[in-house]
Order: sequence, then structure tokens, then C-alpha cells
Amino acid sequence: KQEVTQIPAALSVPEGENLVLNCSFTDSAIYNLQWFRQDPGKGLTSLLLIQSSQREQTSGRLNASLDKSSGRSTLYIAASQPGDSATYLCAVRPLTGTASKLTFGTGTRLQVTL
Amino acid sequence: NAGVTQTPKFQVLKTGQSMTLQCAQDMNHNSMYWYRQDPGMGLRLIYYSASEGTTDKGEVPNGYNVSRLNKREFSLRLESAAPSQTSVYFCASSEGDRAYEQYFGPGTRLTVT
Repeated sequence: KQEVTQIPAALSVPEGENLVLNCSFTDSAIYNLQWFRQDPGKGLTSLLLIQSSQREQTSGRLNASLDKSSGRSTLYIAASQPGDSATYLCAVRPLTGTASKLTFGTGTRLQVTL
Repeated sequence: NAGVTQTPKFQVLKTGQSMTLQCAQDMNHNSMYWYRQDPGMGLRLIYYSASEGTTDKGEVPNGYNVSRLNKREFSLRLESAAPSQTSVYFCASSEGDRAYEQYFGPGTRLTVT
């Protein structure tokens, strides 16, 4: 059974700092991996989708990398801002079986302080 | 474009009551999903619909039923609510199945007393 872990569960950084969020998964047979952001009391916003054949994806200040063989993905946030404060979730989709079944991590709660 | 919308935003039920959570998307997506989110457990898939006219069970389907009313709408029904169904429910949609991003609605916060 696929398990997705995100460590740390919470992180606080000062504004302007570059930071890395980690996501690890136990089964490397994945089709793709998706990073989301969730603001308190809100739904999930898709940030980046990395297909298994890709090594990284970039969107603005965000860069996500994928190392499928080692079961790891990182989300790099450059020059953090208070508006980046949210919970960040990663989710993996299986290579075979139920295609729609995303397995989610429990998230990293990020606080960017002034 | 509203994206994915859900109603209601909040609901309190007594044990044994029934209700239907509504979800609609205006992105012409083929696939739709229902998840629940519980503290410390992440999001778990309840049911999904890969395309109009089809529905399948996810990881935690017991106690729920779904209807894919048309391409836009996908509803989740609790026939006899239980306290264990207290959760935040999210609907999501995607253009297709495996390769595509999922887009989420704002959620319904349900409390069963």
C-alpha cells in the first residue's frame, strides 16, 4: 500500500528565505505527483504536476523536483513571502490499478513571518 | 469561470439523518471525485466518476452513495449519518483520468452529533 510522508509537519521561516518542503513515498510505481496548497478553511489549489518521466517543474517562485527511484519529491520556494503561509500537500497517482486514486501526504504547515 | 462549486458550505446533522452534498464544475471535465479530509489522516477518496455515467468506489466508500447526474454534477449522499462521518468533504474534477491535474472545490464542513 502506498504511503506518502511529509516532514516536517510544520515549518516557520522569516520572509525572504528560500525553503524546501519534502515529500517521500514508499512505492516508486507512480504515474505522476501533484503539489497542492491549502489555505485555512479552504479547498486545495493545484501548484504543480510532475509526470513520472519528468525530473522537475517550475512555476514562478516554485520549483518541484521528482526522484522516482528514491521515492522523493521536493518543493522549493524561492524568496518566501507572508502570502506563502499555508499547508502544502503532495499526492501521488499510481502507475497501475485505480487511476483516479491519489494518495495524499498529511502536509507541511508553512508560516512565513515578517 | 467558477471552477468547482460545492453546497452547502457547512452542515450539522443528527445521527441517522440523511443529506446530499452537491458538486458542480464548469470546466467541461470528464472525471469527478469526492474526498474526505480528517486531521492526521490526509485526504481519502470516497467515490469517483471517471466519465459521465460511471461511478466507482474509492478507499472509504462505506456509508455513502453517489450520483453522476450529468457531466457537470456529481452528488454525494449520506443515507444515515454517523458521528464517524464528521469531516470536511471536498469535490474535485479533472479533464481526464491519470495524467491530469485535479481541481478542488472549497469544501463542505459536516458535523454529525
